[in-house]
Amino acid sequence: DGGITQSPKYLFRKEGQNVTLSCEQNLNHDAMYWYRQDPGQGLRLIYYSQIVNDFQKGDIAEGYSVSREKKESFPLTVTSAQKNPTAFYLCASKALSEQFFGPGTRLTVL
Amino acid sequence: AQTVTQSQPEMSVQEAETVTLSCTYDTSENNYYLFWYKQPPSRQMILVIRQEAYKQQNATENRFSVNFQKAAKSFSLKISDSQLGDTAMYFCAFMNPSLIQGAQKLVFGQGTRLTINP
Repeated sequence: DGGITQSPKYLFRKEGQNVTLSCEQNLNHDAMYWYRQDPGQGLRLIYYSQIVNDFQKGDIAEGYSVSREKKESFPLTVTSAQKNPTAFYLCASKALSEQFFGPGTRLTVL
Repeated sequence: AQTVTQSQPEMSVQEAETVTLSCTYDTSENNYYLFWYKQPPSRQMILVIRQEAYKQQNATENRFSVNFQKAAKSFSLKISDSQLGDTAMYFCAFMNPSLIQGAQKLVFGQGTRLTINP
């Protein structure tokens, strides 16, 4: 089945640690996105990538980094510079005008 | 910059009733896409319906329909014959297709939590 997978589903991090969230898609989409969701709010764009080896900052990129070495993969690293990282993170890929979302990763900082 | 506003944080209706969720947006663009996404307790984002601004006809998908008022910048979602499985967060979203492909991000509203009661 084609789709987007994110792992892990739940992630716990101690303060001061970097952590990497995985996002993989087998839909053959060029564009991929990372969004953050906080309680009572909509999704906000962290980073996006139009094509392999290219990525751009979104609206709330501070404290995050990404890479795009393969078309299928777009991992997100939450660094210790992110002041409030506890949130739900959603990855998406895009075909034409529609974005398809993964199941998300819940990150909690202890 | 585009903004999307959903003024109803929560709504609750009885099963089989009809419910309308409100959404307004602000943009200077003439052509754009509008979407309603559903996020059930599983937290998976599911596309419910899409409207292209250049189309005057309102989009319909089975029990889901929209009332798109371009001049008023309003995009409401109507759910007919509501079912228990419709219980979810609903997000209105905007996309500007004039940007290059990868930059076509979604701009989301704050969401409306809809509960369908038996």
